[in-house]
Amino acid sequence: GAVVSQHPSWVICKSGTSVKIECRSLDFQATTMFWYRQFPKQSLMLMATSNEGSKATYEQGVEKDKFLINHASLTLSTLTVTSAHPEDSSFYICSARVPLPGQGVYEQYFGPGTRLTVT
Amino acid sequence: GQSLEQPSEVTAVEGAIVQINCTYQTSGFYGLSWYQQHDGGAPTFLSYNALDGLEETGRFSSFLSRSDSYGYLLLQELQMKDSASYFCAGAQGGKLIFGQGTELSVKP
Repeated sequence: GAVVSQHPSWVICKSGTSVKIECRSLDFQATTMFWYRQFPKQSLMLMATSNEGSKATYEQGVEKDKFLINHASLTLSTLTVTSAHPEDSSFYICSARVPLPGQGVYEQYFGPGTRLTVT
Repeated sequence: GQSLEQPSEVTAVEGAIVQINCTYQTSGFYGLSWYQQHDGGAPTFLSYNALDGLEETGRFSSFLSRSDSYGYLLLQELQMKDSASYFCAGAQGGKLIFGQGTELSVKP
């Protein structure tokens, strides 16, 4: 099956610094990837849709200048949390969308997540 | 708007059967998926219903009624390892919108 990796799996950074999280599709190409954020005991909240070769589409309420997304290749999307603050501490999960042949629908494969702690 | 509602938590005993319901309010909605997530882990895909009816995959089954905007996940022969959070997710415009999740606790 399709495998999505994320790096790092966890990171601790100081307030005011920036952190970059990578999301890779290992054995397939993904023109579309998604970034989610999940706080403890809560649901996955979609932050943005990352499209290869074009600008990301952000969900309402997500600051595009704070959460920079770059999808420079068909196998890599990056999320950079700029000027991180303690309230940005969360579990960040990416997923890659793969079309199901002949069905007009997609399946999503999730990465293992990155736990960010901002001190 | 889009919203999917699930019970926040469910408790059951080993070997039992449990049903987790999901009701949704949205337009242009296509299909309902179910994901399992253990503490600290990523969501793993369980099942998908594009059409009305029941889909069975081993101990897990999922049902969808589009006219009722309702679906459920049925877990049979519960095992301790089934203790996790379960999310229904709706597909709309190529995106997945997740419900709030149901925390299932399986007791011995």
